Amino acid sequence: GAVVSQHPSWVICKSGTSVKIECRSLDFQATTMFWYRQFPKQSLMLMATSNEGSKATYEQGVEKDKFLINHASLTLSTLTVTSAHPEDSSFYICSARDDRGSYNEQFFGPGTRLTVL
Amino acid sequence: AQRVTQPEKLLSVFKGAPVELKCNYSYSGSPELFWYVQYSRQRLQLLLRHISRESIKGFTADLNKGETSFHLKKPFAQEEDSAMYYCALKKGNKLVFGAGTILRVKS
Repeated sequence: GAVVSQHPSWVICKSGTSVKIECRSLDFQATTMFWYRQFPKQSLMLMATSNEGSKATYEQGVEKDKFLINHASLTLSTLTVTSAHPEDSSFYICSARDDRGSYNEQFFGPGTRLTVL
Repeated sequence: AQRVTQPEKLLSVFKGAPVELKCNYSYSGSPELFWYVQYSRQRLQLLLRHISRESIKGFTADLNKGETSFHLKKPFAQEEDSAMYYCALKKGNKLVFGAGTILRVKS
């Protein structure tokens, strides 16, 4: 299957700083990318959906000014957690999909563990 | 509201025993359902989708619209099946995931 990478795989930052997480589709072009958050032993919660070149669509309750999403190209999306606080500590997972075919499987990245001190 | 329910957090079976991971959904339209699997320290990956009606790694899942269920079954569990399993429903452009069930296959 297609590969989605995330960088970094883990990051520790101080409270109040901003952190950027990259998501890349390595061998396909992703017209749509998704960002999820996963708490320990819980399900994936969708944060936002982004289409290349458009503004992201955020789920209810997700602060768009806090979680900045950019989908600048068909192979790259970034999530920036601004002014991070300890409650933002979580596992962030991106997913990518090419909607131009007839079979549009969604491929997942390995996740990024964010710890805010 | 569209919702996916996986009632069991943990299912523990012996190797060779049958497995059934339960999934119920609520959806007002024609549902498109999936099972995803996450092995230890690996990323989430698609196991099967109901449209394909296929068997992957010995697993099958049948959509039962009357019972609004999409249970995942395997007749004989193997140790390598131990993983977290998520049932998911496609709602418009996005996936809604259940809470997940940990399957532990004991030798």
